[in-house]
Amino acid sequence: DAGVTQSPTHLIKTRGQQVTLRCSPKSGHDTVSWYQQALGQGPQFIFQYYEEEERQRGNFPDRFSGHQFPNYSSELNVNALLLGDSALYLCASSLDRGRRDQPQHFGDGTRLSIL
Amino acid sequence: RKEVEQDPGPFNVPEGATVAFNCTYSNSASQSFFWYRQDCRKEPKLLMSVYSSGNEDGRFTAQLNRASQYISLLIRDSKLSDSATYLCAVNMGRLYFGRGTQLTVWP
Repeated sequence: DAGVTQSPTHLIKTRGQQVTLRCSPKSGHDTVSWYQQALGQGPQFIFQYYEEEERQRGNFPDRFSGHQFPNYSSELNVNALLLGDSALYLCASSLDRGRRDQPQHFGDGTRLSIL
Repeated sequence: RKEVEQDPGPFNVPEGATVAFNCTYSNSASQSFFWYRQDCRKEPKLLMSVYSSGNEDGRFTAQLNRASQYISLLIRDSKLSDSATYLCAVNMGRLYFGRGTQLTVWP
């Protein structure tokens, strides 16, 4: 039973570029959330997708956008990259069935470095 | 005030010690609570959910105090392998994480 998988594992970009990160949820899960984790901090919520729609959004600018596909996989896009976007980007999935209180399971993350 | 406050530590304890971590949360309507463990440069892994009546999983005990709005994690008989960062997470419509408490268990 595959867990949450993310790609790529590492990425180096320069300021101003755009990046797309990908996530496949754990088998059977229907909800995908994205988090940004800076060094020494807890994960910060970016947004959550359920039924192919953005259900909730954290305090991140519009440069951060996403998508969920019919197979529940998801993408996170970041435009106009800034140095401060360097972080570990985590995808988490859960089986919510609309309840929103189920534990989330994380992928290995994508470590994004901006030069 | 942050939604979830957690003492970052670090906690340095010998093998066999008992150690406790606390987290406070701001929203009394919070729905569910969790503890995650995160090893260096790895993803958070769900350690346990926290239930109102308190719950135990081997050497780990989690408790919830709704009146005072905090959750706790107690680790008994610490092992070297318990060394990690422990993150509390509170669901207030979405998950809010504390910044994590770093634990080092030494021989």
